[in-house]
Amino acid sequence: GQQVMQIPQYQHVQEGEDFTTYCNSSTTLSNIQWYKQRPGGHPVFLIQLVKSGEVKKQKRLTFQFGEAKKNSSLHITATQTTDVGTYFCAGLMNYGGATNKLIFGTGTLLAVQP
Amino acid sequence: DARVTQTPRHKVTEMGQEVTMRCQPILGHNTVFWYRQTMMQGLELLAYFRNRAPLDDSGMPKDRFSAEMPDATLATLKIQPSEPRDSAVYFCASGLTNSGISPLHFGNGTRLTVT
Repeated sequence: GQQVMQIPQYQHVQEGEDFTTYCNSSTTLSNIQWYKQRPGGHPVFLIQLVKSGEVKKQKRLTFQFGEAKKNSSLHITATQTTDVGTYFCAGLMNYGGATNKLIFGTGTLLAVQP
Repeated sequence: DARVTQTPRHKVTEMGQEVTMRCQPILGHNTVFWYRQTMMQGLELLAYFRNRAPLDDSGMPKDRFSAEMPDATLATLKIQPSEPRDSAVYFCASGLTNSGISPLHFGNGTRLTVT
């Protein structure tokens, strides 16, 4: 079953409002990646976080990796209609030896009303 | 721009038929993932390969699914026999793995409908 959960599943905001999605893993992650999938499209890489407590910014997007490396968040300031899509976190889990699995979270669908 | 190529883009087939999906990873990438996406289950990891060797296929129903990498430029996912519950979008993604893993590049997916 899913080991990486995201909340909320769906968020509807007015353009200009802020948005946050939270990602929680049942196990410690080696690193975490974030992807965005537009409706009808494929996931596109946004960013990777590696260090405990790391914070990275991309324009209006702020990404954070938890101290325990088991959770992460994505915050969008002043949403725009171009932000519409599903945001996925993906955690790299070490299963020992050379085996690392990239497990995707359940995703948060963002709808932005103009 | 280098990209992952998947074929076919769409496939409609009848229950019981064999389905083969193909993926050409980005040249130089050593890791290939197969994911299945449905509304109910999200993005499920089916299998992945590193340097053409299968590392994990625990997410795949073994009785009907098989994944292979005949060479570095081709990964295949086969379903035999197909069932209506296999209807989904199947994504292939490639990346470069050393101590960690690089960002994954996804193909456009194969939308499979089994009637």
